[in-house]
Amino acid sequence: EIVLTQSPATLSLSPGERATLSCRASQSVSSYLAWYQQKPGQAPRLLIYDASNRATGIPARFSGSGSGTDFTLTISSLEPEDFAVYYCQQRSNWRRLTFGGGTKVEIK
Amino acid sequence: EVQLVESGGGLVKPGGSLRLSCAASGFTFSSYSMNWVRQAPGKGLEWVSSISSSSSYIYYADSVKGRFTISRDNAKNSLYLQMNSLRAEDTAVYYCARDGDGSGDRYFDYWGQGTLVTVSS
Repeated sequence: EIVLTQSPATLSLSPGERATLSCRASQSVSSYLAWYQQKPGQAPRLLIYDASNRATGIPARFSGSGSGTDFTLTISSLEPEDFAVYYCQQRSNWRRLTFGGGTKVEIK
Repeated sequence: EVQLVESGGGLVKPGGSLRLSCAASGFTFSSYSMNWVRQAPGKGLEWVSSISSSSSYIYYADSVKGRFTISRDNAKNSLYLQMNSLRAEDTAVYYCARDGDGSGDRYFDYWGQGTLVTVSS
C-alpha cells in the first residue's frame, strides 16, 4: 500500500496569505496525485488531478506541483471560502487507492 | 447536472448487515467506473471499493475484503454496497463517487452527499 503523509496537520493563516500544503508518498507515484477540498458537512471536491491540472471550475489561485514522492498544493491568496480540510490521493496503484490524512487550513 | 444520491444507511449491530444504494443521474452511468469512499467521524477519507463500468473489474480495500460486495445495475443507474459482518470500525459516512474520465480516471470528480452507517450494540 502506498502511504501518503500530509503536512502540516494544521495551517493557521489569514485571508490574503499564501498557503503551501505538502503531500509525501512512501514510494513514487509519478504524477498520479490529486488534491481535494472538504468543508464541514460537505462531500470532498476535486481540485487538482495528475499533480498539476486544475479540475473544471477550480479558480486559478489553486495550483499543484511535484512528481515522484513530493507534492505541493499552493493557494496563492486565501479567500474566506478556502478555509477547509485538504486531502491528497494517489492513483498510481489503481487497485489500491489511498488518501493522505489531511491538512486543515484554519483562520488565524 | 450530475447527481449521486446515497441511501440505506442507519444503525446496525456488530455482526449485522446493511445494503447501501447510490442513485445516479445527469450522466451516462454505464460509461463510468464507480466507487465507495468512507469517512469515520472526525477522521480522514478512506477508499473502500471500485467497480468498472461493465462490472468486469472490482477492487476492495483490505479492511473490507471478504465482508463487503460492490455491484451495479446499469439499467437502473444504480450502485450498491452490500456490507456484511459489520464492525464498530466500519462506522462512517459512506460516499458514492464517480471516476473521472480520460486523464481523470481513478480520481473522484463527483460525490454524493453521503449516508451514515453506525455500527453499535
